[in-house]
Amino acid sequence: QQQVKQSPQSLIVQKGGIPIINCAYENTAFDYFPWYQQFPGKGPALLIAIRPDVSEKKEGRFTISFNKSAKQFSLHIMDSQPGDSATYFCAAKTWGGTSYGKLTFGQGTILTVHP
Amino acid sequence: DAGVIQSPRHEVTEMGQEVTLRCKPISGHDYLFWYRQTMMRGLELLIYFNNNVPIDDSGMPEDRFSAKMPNASFSTLKIQPSEPRDSAVYFCASSFGPSRPQHFGDGTRLSIL
Repeated sequence: QQQVKQSPQSLIVQKGGIPIINCAYENTAFDYFPWYQQFPGKGPALLIAIRPDVSEKKEGRFTISFNKSAKQFSLHIMDSQPGDSATYFCAAKTWGGTSYGKLTFGQGTILTVHP
Repeated sequence: DAGVIQSPRHEVTEMGQEVTLRCKPISGHDYLFWYRQTMMRGLELLIYFNNNVPIDDSGMPEDRFSAKMPNASFSTLKIQPSEPRDSAVYFCASSFGPSRPQHFGDGTRLSIL
């Protein structure tokens, strides 16, 4: 019940395309859903995050769509650029109890944006 | 501002040897996390500390793994004895409170031969 399932494992798009990465969760206690971006040789870095009280959040070219009833959320990258090529992780966490502060990560999606 | 600093960046050692990974969190952060990243299992939380106290070590794979945080600016993850299956990238992260973003270091790539 603590799992976060992420798809696809890898994704290739052309510059300007709109890659979409999907995540699904089971634990209804999750109430914070961040996305992390990781470049080779670097640690994951927070990209954008959403709480379940909103259905969409946009920051620059990055948008999270959230469907609470389906327990799914997704990342869209508008006008993708070769510099967006990286591994993207969705994650989820809960507040309170023994899971206080603990993030559960998806398996990651390797995105390649061709020029 | 300095981010989370991990050392060494790379470690290659033989099976059976003791390995010590080090982490300096961002100053003022009161939560510290140790993660392991592998192709097969992705990013796994090993242990986390709050105000230098271990809160949840349920992700530590075996008794061969131990972690300490003697003060607010330093933590270690030790593997003794090391095994080839411990080969992975180990990340340290810190945050200011449980609801703020976790900031990751650049990791230690560990290879056990």
